Amino acid sequence: DAGVTQSPTHLIKTRGQHVTLRCSPISGHKSVSWYQQVLGQGPQFIFQYYEKEERGRGNFPDRFSARQFPNYSSELNVNALLLGDSALYLCASSLEGGYNQPQHFGDGTRLSIL
Amino acid sequence: GESVGLHLPTLSVQEGDNSIINCAYSNSASDYFIWYKQESGKGPQFIIDIRSNMDKRQGQRVTVLLNKTVKHLSLQIAATQPGDSAVYFCAETQAGTALIFGKGTTLSVSS
Repeated sequence: DAGVTQSPTHLIKTRGQHVTLRCSPISGHKSVSWYQQVLGQGPQFIFQYYEKEERGRGNFPDRFSARQFPNYSSELNVNALLLGDSALYLCASSLEGGYNQPQHFGDGTRLSIL
Repeated sequence: GESVGLHLPTLSVQEGDNSIINCAYSNSASDYFIWYKQESGKGPQFIIDIRSNMDKRQGQRVTVLLNKTVKHLSLQIAATQPGDSAVYFCAETQAGTALIFGKGTTLSVSS
């Protein structure tokens, strides 16, 4: 079975641009969460979506937004990119909403801001 | 086996040794804990989880111990192999809150 898939794997943008990252969850999983991982640190929670609704939001500015589609795939959008947005963006899927269950991660999108 | 009492950012062991990676969690109300393994260039890989109504859980070559009194979590890896070399993260959560990841420990296994 395919795991969580993310695209693109790498992306280079300049300050002020916007970016859309995509995620397909494990088949049968209805919940998708997004995390930002800065080099040398653990992942930091951005959003969780379940059944197309936002179920949780971390401490990130409004420049970050996301949505989930009827097939449970998801997009993360970031506007007005800053140098500090350079990071690995991870998507994780789980069977249901909430956090008290295993979340399975994709290999991420490496975003570099110039 | 090699073990540490407090969190250390790196742990070096010989192949075949047992490894113990420690994690101090922050929230006494946390009731679910996960250990992840992250290899270079990859996303975190689920290893094992434990709920707060348990103090020990075993998987294949791994054991997680939970001490709620001192808010301490440990991951024991038996017969450590070179393929176990990676960064290991513990993560905690309580109902209604997102996963919070701890500081990672880099495990280096030499043959």
